[in-house]
Amino acid sequence: ILNVEQSPQSLHVQEGDSTNFTCSFPSSNFYALHWYRWETAKSPEALFVMTLNGDEKKKGRISATLNTKEGYSYLYIKGSQPEDSATYLCASRIQGAQKLVFGQGTRLTINP
Amino acid sequence: DTGVSQDPRHKITKRGQNVTFRCDPISEHNRLYWYRQTLGQGPEFLTYFQNEAQLEKSRLLSDRFSAERPKGSFSTLEIQRTEQGDSAMYLCASSFTGGASYEQYFGPGTRLTVT
Repeated sequence: ILNVEQSPQSLHVQEGDSTNFTCSFPSSNFYALHWYRWETAKSPEALFVMTLNGDEKKKGRISATLNTKEGYSYLYIKGSQPEDSATYLCASRIQGAQKLVFGQGTRLTINP
Repeated sequence: DTGVSQDPRHKITKRGQNVTFRCDPISEHNRLYWYRQTLGQGPEFLTYFQNEAQLEKSRLLSDRFSAERPKGSFSTLEIQRTEQGDSAMYLCASSFTGGASYEQYFGPGTRLTVT
């Protein structure tokens, strides 16, 4: 069974502050780790796909790191803005499989 | 192309009725996936197609569920004799097998409420 866990489940952050959250996944047969941002009433938006141990990706104020040996990924948001309010999902994919296995998400609320 | 589209966006039905959802993938994408998300959980895989062939089905997909992709383009997901436990967000995603083929692009989902 492939379990993906995210923490915390919800987070309230003051506008302008930086924040981070965690995704843990089984490291055996690892293929790829995905991060999505999902705003209410919209499609989940792909943020990053990472495949190699030590990968670091950045998009504007958002960045992510990957450790495949210990099975975790961090997502960082620098200088949070109200538009960052969303649910952030991570999903793991194992070798030979097409399906993504998702964590339960981290619901981020930015307080102005 | 504006991405993956799903129709309807919302569906309310009475227990025991049949419902059908449609997904239109990004036009050049040959893989299409269905996921289901219930309250407080992340999306769970249901099934996927490569072109018109259904290659994998989750055990979550009971006999009351059937999915088709007749011409390798749009797909339909039908639920027969709906139950209250079927209430969920049904998400469709598509991808292309060329290149790195890592990314799955999602539609906005169909929210089903069974009363």
